[in-house]
Amino acid sequence: GNSVTQMEGPVTLSEEAFLTINCTYTATGYPSLFWYVQYPGEGLQLLLKATKADDKGSNKGFEATYRKETTSFHLEKGSVQVSDSAVYFCALGLNTGNQFYFGTGTSLTVIP
Amino acid sequence: KAGVTQTPRYLIKTRGQQVTLSCSPISGHRSVSWYQQTPGQGLQFLFEYFSETQRNKGNFPGRFSGRQFSNSRSEMNVSTLELGDSALYLCASSLGTSGVGTDTQYFGPGTRLTVL
Repeated sequence: GNSVTQMEGPVTLSEEAFLTINCTYTATGYPSLFWYVQYPGEGLQLLLKATKADDKGSNKGFEATYRKETTSFHLEKGSVQVSDSAVYFCALGLNTGNQFYFGTGTSLTVIP
Repeated sequence: KAGVTQTPRYLIKTRGQQVTLSCSPISGHRSVSWYQQTPGQGLQFLFEYFSETQRNKGNFPGRFSGRQFSNSRSEMNVSTLELGDSALYLCASSLGTSGVGTDTQYFGPGTRLTVL
């Protein structure tokens, strides 16, 4: 079946620390991969995406590379800020059958 | 450009009742997807509509249904409510030309449903 597994939180980091949130997937076809972010009290927003193997998505200092060989799409940021505190969701989408799957979400808190 | 809007934002119902939620997509978007978010199950895909047709459905019982109108607005209906249906219901719109696999989905703020 299709699924997304991401590291459990919560994650607490100091400002300017390096962030990695692990995400791995299982898919029967050729998925696109996404990271969505949910800031406190707000809806989900697309952070970045990659549609094929070896693609790198990037936005607001966040990066993730679609690794087919390890079925992974880990989210990284070199220096986090307090404003990055949010819940991060890894997701995969399949055009075949129009299917979309989210991971369980990882809560990140950045302290000054 | 206005974002995705959902009404109502909050609902309280009792077991056995039915409820209808509404979603207005971004202008020009023809696809609307619905998701259920709960602390226990996370975000789960309910169904997706494109040009008034359901293109796919998640693993939910038949009590959950939806429809899409010619202006792309969508409604979701839940009949015979159960306590476990308490959740945040999110809708997302996209252009729909490629499918949810590659299209960027834009999410609304959600409708918080509480079943007593």
